[in-house]
Amino acid sequence: SQQGEEDPQALSIQEGENATMNCSYKTSINNLQWYRQNSGRGLVHLILIRSNEREKHSGRLRVTLDTSKKSSSLLITASRAADTASYFCATISRSNDYKLSFGAGTTVTVRA
Amino acid sequence: GAGVSQSPSNKVTEKGKDVELRCDPISGHTALYWYRQRLGQGLEFLIYFQGNSAPDKSGLPSDRFSAERTGESVSTLTIQRTQQEDSAVYLCASSRDFMGQFFGPGTRLTVL
Repeated sequence: SQQGEEDPQALSIQEGENATMNCSYKTSINNLQWYRQNSGRGLVHLILIRSNEREKHSGRLRVTLDTSKKSSSLLITASRAADTASYFCATISRSNDYKLSFGAGTTVTVRA
Repeated sequence: GAGVSQSPSNKVTEKGKDVELRCDPISGHTALYWYRQRLGQGLEFLIYFQGNSAPDKSGLPSDRFSAERTGESVSTLTIQRTQQEDSAVYLCASSRDFMGQFFGPGTRLTVL
């Protein structure tokens, strides 16, 4: 069953704008990960945030985690056309520390 | 190679036929995972291999699905008597630990 749920399902922005997507989950987690999937390609691991962390940065990516609300957000700043992809959040629960549970993803389209 | 590879990249089969999908993980990665991604949906966990431990098969949807792994190398996912609802992209991932998983490009299976 799917643990994470992304919101919105789809997002269309202009190049240079920021893109924000959210993920909610249901059970206590060990860590939460964000992945990107370009059309027709495999998933790429973007960033991991542990349950005791609140914010993490990697290049133009910023991830926040609120364990009290069981939610996370992914911010992509100064978006580029190459950022067009589907973004998935995935969680590893405390009770099952190897099994990733994925949401349905947010499809981001960056217009030139 | 440097990444996870999967073969074939595309497979079209007739309902009722058996198919075998192959995954070559990254060398040294003891953990190997199979996922299924139906169109427009998140990833579903299928099975997990970790070293010589008994695999976690809890995600396999039916007894038509089985998977094997030779040591810490190649894995094959077999679907017997394929059904149309088996049509999906089957993704393999490997990791050294349960943190970041590296995904292959997937096998797109179409059951006619």
